[in-house]
Amino acid sequence: DVKVTQSSRYLVKRTGEKVFLECVQDMDHENMFWYRQDPGLGLRLIYFSYDVKMKEKGDIPEGYSVSREKKERFSLILESASTNQTSMYLCASSPRLAGPYNEQFFGPGTRLTVL
Amino acid sequence: AQTVTQSQPEMSVQEAETVTLSCTYDTSESDYYLFWYKQPPSRQMILVIRQEAYKQQNATENRFSVNFQKAAKSFSLKISDSQLGDAAMYFCAYRNNFGNEKLTFGTGTRLTIIP
Repeated sequence: DVKVTQSSRYLVKRTGEKVFLECVQDMDHENMFWYRQDPGLGLRLIYFSYDVKMKEKGDIPEGYSVSREKKERFSLILESASTNQTSMYLCASSPRLAGPYNEQFFGPGTRLTVL
Repeated sequence: AQTVTQSQPEMSVQEAETVTLSCTYDTSESDYYLFWYKQPPSRQMILVIRQEAYKQQNATENRFSVNFQKAAKSFSLKISDSQLGDAAMYFCAYRNNFGNEKLTFGTGTRLTIIP
């Protein structure tokens, strides 16, 4: 079974803090994704990576950065957390396959509260 | 840019009955893929069913089936014989087929099963 794990289920941080969200997958997938999930807005893509050290901006990259130093690990960084970054953050991974079968596998999510 | 619309924020159905969740999308592409994902309460998001746009036949996975109307850009999910375990947020998602492996999600429909 594919396993995508995230470092924390719940996280509380203060405004201005630097925040690291970690995601690890164990299926040797090339692609990894960070989403933000908000009620009424669905999932919005923040960043994704299709290879080690490679990254591409998603739809809402402002205020975030990412790091992928190893294939299995993809980190989301909030350089200076703000209250409007309070949200659920979901990580996903997928193999690099053509067609509809490169299914994305999701982690359990990190609910981040910024006070 | 592609958009995915789920116009039903919440739905409910009696146990053992059938329910249909709606999804429409907008794209100028002719070749793409559509997905329904399920997010149970406090559990990881999982893929329910997928549809290739070039296939006219509607996809089916056990009690889950889709009604794919390409001309109308409609992709509804039908759940037959609803069970308590079907209670979840359901997200419709779109992916194009020209090397871009990003998913575009709708805003989700929360499905409640009434015992």
